[in-house]
Amino acid sequence: GQSLEQPSEVTAVEGAIVQINCTYQTSGFYGLSWYQQHDGGAPTFLSYNALDGLEETGRFSSFLSRSDSYGYLLLQELQMKDSASYFCAVGSASKIIFGSGTRLSIRP
Amino acid sequence: ETGVTQTPRHLVMGMTNKKSLKCEQHLGHNAMYWYKQSAKKPLELMFVYSLEERVENNSVPSRFSPECPNSSHLFLHLHTLQPEDSALYLCASSQEGHNYGYTFGSGTRLTVV
Repeated sequence: GQSLEQPSEVTAVEGAIVQINCTYQTSGFYGLSWYQQHDGGAPTFLSYNALDGLEETGRFSSFLSRSDSYGYLLLQELQMKDSASYFCAVGSASKIIFGSGTRLSIRP
Repeated sequence: ETGVTQTPRHLVMGMTNKKSLKCEQHLGHNAMYWYKQSAKKPLELMFVYSLEERVENNSVPSRFSPECPNSSHLFLHLHTLQPEDSALYLCASSQEGHNYGYTFGSGTRLTVV
């Protein structure tokens, strides 16, 4: 089967850096992606890693280690608008399976 | 708006009602998906349509019936639902074979009473 593990909640301070980890078990791995979802909103695509290493997009970076079945999302210079739920997701041939999500709360 | 539009945004229905959820995408994608999102649970994949054919039915009860008349439209027909079916139902689209970068609609918040 397929499963993903990520922390349910993370709290951080505005302006700081936070890392959200994700471990997975899957067959037919095609890549790890991350989505952001604000309360009442649609999940929106943030990043995708098919190969090992770090991908940077502005304040957000995503990392993948296929040998460890592990990845993380790094958010820098946190802003209050980054308060949301973040989902890691594993792709297979025809679909994406999502984790339960990490709720990120940011304090001033 | 994300390019994927879902209607209605909110729906309250009785257990004996029949209703339908609608999803429409204007992105030129050729794969569409239904997901169920319940509190504190992963998004659960329900159905996958690729090139207008159903390629996956993830052990979903028959009281949920999908329909994909063309690559831009996806429906979820509901009948004789149970209170535990109350959830946020999300539609997504992508290019077939691209298992990332899904575009989601804002969802239909369904309450079964």
